[in-house]
Amino acid sequence: SQQGEEDPQALSIQEGENATMNCSYKTSINNLQWYRQNSGRGLVHLILIRSNEREKHSGRLRVTLDTSKKSSSLLITASRAADTASYFCATESSGDKLTFGTGTRLAVRP
Amino acid sequence: KAGVTQTPRYLIKTRGQQVTLSCSPISGHRSVSWYQQTPGQGLQFLFEYFSETQRNKGNFPGRFSGRQFSNSRSEMNVSTLELGDSALYLCASSLGTLSYEQYFGPGTRLTVT
Repeated sequence: SQQGEEDPQALSIQEGENATMNCSYKTSINNLQWYRQNSGRGLVHLILIRSNEREKHSGRLRVTLDTSKKSSSLLITASRAADTASYFCATESSGDKLTFGTGTRLAVRP
Repeated sequence: KAGVTQTPRYLIKTRGQQVTLSCSPISGHRSVSWYQQTPGQGLQFLFEYFSETQRNKGNFPGRFSGRQFSNSRSEMNVSTLELGDSALYLCASSLGTLSYEQYFGPGTRLTVT
């Protein structure tokens, strides 16, 4: 079963706009990771945020984590066509497995 | 550094057969994890190996097994294949536990007919 549920399931935006996707999970976690998957480059790690962190940045990516609401969001600023991909959150709870969400399909129109 | 490599990239098998998939991690990485990805179930954790020992296992039947060699390379075996085993099988390596970022290979696309 999926621990994380991404929202929305699909998102279509214009190049240059910002994209926000959300992830909700059910149990306490040690960390939450975001991954991107497209047909050309497979599954690529984007950001890891630990349970005691609230926000992290990496280039055009900003991730927030709210452990009280059991949710995380990924913001991609100034999107590009190359950002077109599926985005997954993955949670790690007790070191025993990494549980992936259902994913958000992002389409960036040129 | 070379990335995670998986062989073969594509595979077609018949129901009842068995299959072995191979994964070579990034040099220096001692943890190797396997995942199954299907349109219906998404990405599901199969198992994780560290220093030749299985550390964790997902909720898959015993037909799914794996092993890790002393050079950290890993193999995954599926016996008595079923149509539902058709999937993309992804391998990931990392420096340590699942708390570290995972580096994924391109996957092996298995089709069972």
